[in-house]
Amino acid sequence: KAGVTQTPRYLIKTRGQQVTLSCSPISGHRSVSWYQQTPGQGLQFLFEYFSETQRNKGNFPGRFSGRQFSNSRSEMNVSTLELGDSALYLCASSTPRTSGGETQYFGPGTRLLVL
Amino acid sequence: TQLLEQSPQFLSIQEGENLTVYCNSSSVFSSLQWYRQEPGEGPVLLVTVVTGGEVKKLKRLTFQFGDARKDSSLHITAAQPGDTGLYLCAAADRGSTLGRLYFGRGTQLTVWP
Repeated sequence: KAGVTQTPRYLIKTRGQQVTLSCSPISGHRSVSWYQQTPGQGLQFLFEYFSETQRNKGNFPGRFSGRQFSNSRSEMNVSTLELGDSALYLCASSTPRTSGGETQYFGPGTRLLVL
Repeated sequence: TQLLEQSPQFLSIQEGENLTVYCNSSSVFSSLQWYRQEPGEGPVLLVTVVTGGEVKKLKRLTFQFGDARKDSSLHITAAQPGDTGLYLCAAADRGSTLGRLYFGRGTQLTVWP
C-alpha cells in the first residue's frame, strides 16, 4: 500500500504571498490531519478533516485553512505569509477511531521557507 | 504548557550503550505512540501502546505504557548509529479531540560509532 504523499516537498515564498499544499492519504484512510513543525514549538496540530468536513481545529490564525475532497485528498492554504510560517508542514492519515485508539501515518512533509 | 513532557531533550552516546527516553504527562490517554523522525522527513511510527502496563518490544527497542496511562518509556539496548534520530511520543486523549495527536518536544538521539 502506498504511503501518505505530500506535494510539493520544498517551497520558497515571500512575505505576503499565499501557498497551497497538497496531501494524498493512504488508500482507504478518510481522516487527514495537518501539523506544523518548527524547532521552537515542535509539532503543533493545525486541523483535521474527515469525509470532507473539518472536525477539529488547532490554535492557529484564520490565515491557515484547509479542505478535503471526496477522494479524501486534502489541501491546506496559508494566506498572507509571514516569516514565522517557515516550517515543515506534515500531513497524516488514519483509519476511523477504534477501541484501541487512533494511529496516524505521516507523509514526508512540505518544507516551506518564507523570505 | 506542553501536554507531554519528554526527557532528556538531547542524548549523545557511544555505540553499544543502553538508553531510556521518558514521556510524561498529568493527563490520561487512550493510546500513546512513539515515532522516529529523520531530518527532512515525516515521523515514522514505531509502536502504539494502548493498555495500561503494556510492554512491547521491537528488536532492541522496548516500549512501556504506564499503568495509569499517563506516561511511557522507550528503552534501547546496545544502541547503534542507525538509531540516530528524533524520537517523539504522541498521544490521543480520552476526550473527543478526533484526529488530533499531542506531541512531546522530542528527544534528539545521536549514537556515535
